[in-house]
Amino acid sequence: NAGVTQTPKFQVLKTGQSMTLQCAQDMNHEYMSWYRQDPGMGLRLIHYSVGAGITDQGEVPNGYNVSRSTTEDFPLRLLSAAPSQTSVYFCASKRGGITDTQYFGPGTRLTVL
Amino acid sequence: AQKITQTQPGMFVQEKEAVTLDCTYDTSDQSYGLFWYKQPSSGEMIFLIYQGSYDEQNATEGRYSLNFQKARKSANLVISASQLGDSAMYFCAMRELNAGNNRKLIWGLGTSLAVNP
Repeated sequence: NAGVTQTPKFQVLKTGQSMTLQCAQDMNHEYMSWYRQDPGMGLRLIHYSVGAGITDQGEVPNGYNVSRSTTEDFPLRLLSAAPSQTSVYFCASKRGGITDTQYFGPGTRLTVL
Repeated sequence: AQKITQTQPGMFVQEKEAVTLDCTYDTSDQSYGLFWYKQPSSGEMIFLIYQGSYDEQNATEGRYSLNFQKARKSANLVISASQLGDSAMYFCAMRELNAGNNRKLIWGLGTSLAVNP
């Protein structure tokens, strides 16, 4: 049981490049989400999914796309990276109950030059 | 609007002493849940403790306890017998429970705790 895994751990992109941050969980959790963490701004929700085939926008969705074709995977795509997307990205999952705890992946540190 | 406030950007505590990390929240809902997470320097987010708004007892998990004062809208984390490994950022978060199962967590900006030997 690996929990929530994220790849890569570190990434450097040039402005305009695209890439996908991978997230997978093996706990059969329905709910998955992506956050970005910036100094002085806390964690902000980018996108979330309440089950396979269902996604929705969070607080800061612009510049990011997601899809949820399986329960296990929830990739985050940056279509055209911008320096403002330099951040630490966390994927999280939970079973689906309202009081359920979110489990976080180890994070991806992304730098956009 | 929902909001979480953590007023202590940084805290110091001596090893083996207890420390309280403050968290106040703002919500108009009667049903909500409060969470504390720890983020060590390695970066991962680790769940510590949960308190539901209707829970009559303060939540406890090992050395962690939550001092829940509903009328004051505060949910302070108490760490007893601090250890060097407790040095980390600590985040308070809230989820409103009536707004649907997919309601997002509202996060505070965190408190950095340093435990001195």
